[in-house]
Amino acid sequence: RKEVEQDPGPFNVPEGATVAFNCTYSNSASQSFFWYRQDCRKEPKLLMSVYSSGNEDGRFTAQLNRASQYISLLIRDSKLSDSATYLCVVKSGGYQKVTFGTGTKLQVIP
Amino acid sequence: DAGVTQSPTHLIKTRGQQVTLRCSPKSGHDTVSWYQQALGQGPQFIFQYYEEEERQRGNFPDRFSGHQFPNYSSELNVNALLLGDSALYLCASSQDGTGRLVQFFGPGTRLTVL
Repeated sequence: RKEVEQDPGPFNVPEGATVAFNCTYSNSASQSFFWYRQDCRKEPKLLMSVYSSGNEDGRFTAQLNRASQYISLLIRDSKLSDSATYLCVVKSGGYQKVTFGTGTKLQVIP
Repeated sequence: DAGVTQSPTHLIKTRGQQVTLRCSPKSGHDTVSWYQQALGQGPQFIFQYYEEEERQRGNFPDRFSGHQFPNYSSELNVNALLLGDSALYLCASSQDGTGRLVQFFGPGTRLTVL
């Protein structure tokens, strides 16, 4: 089983739609969680950290479920500019070893 | 304030050759991590440097080695290149030695091995 798993997609959604991505992780001792966004042929950029109580940043909502070992990202009112690959990141261990998922590709269609 | 910079941006090598990639961390950052990202995959952790020492290492062979300099910049060296080493190599820097703080990525070096 992979340490961090994501559905690779692609998710093709119309503008204005709501879309949700899940990411599961295998290490129950994982401590920190993030969502990064990566545009084609560019570097990953931090979208948001994921906190235990859940957190929201504008149209984006992230949640953590430690019992089931998954994190989620919800995007409301999708924009064309949201088209990208969304990478789930899990940190664990004393020095916070970083593990990326393979990414979920989102294509927002006009 | 310059972000993370990497050089070169693109590189073409042949099998068996050696390559050195360079990274300058974001100002104020002391920790540098290197990742390999193959097409269609997420970044895979190679190793992390802190205080000029390799602190953590991912599942990569000894052909991959690195170095961190007193100014926190870092190099990634790959010996005896294989076709499968073709990838985007990303450098990420962070400030907290424990790794708790967020990493910022450079634009990457795209390596092609022929």
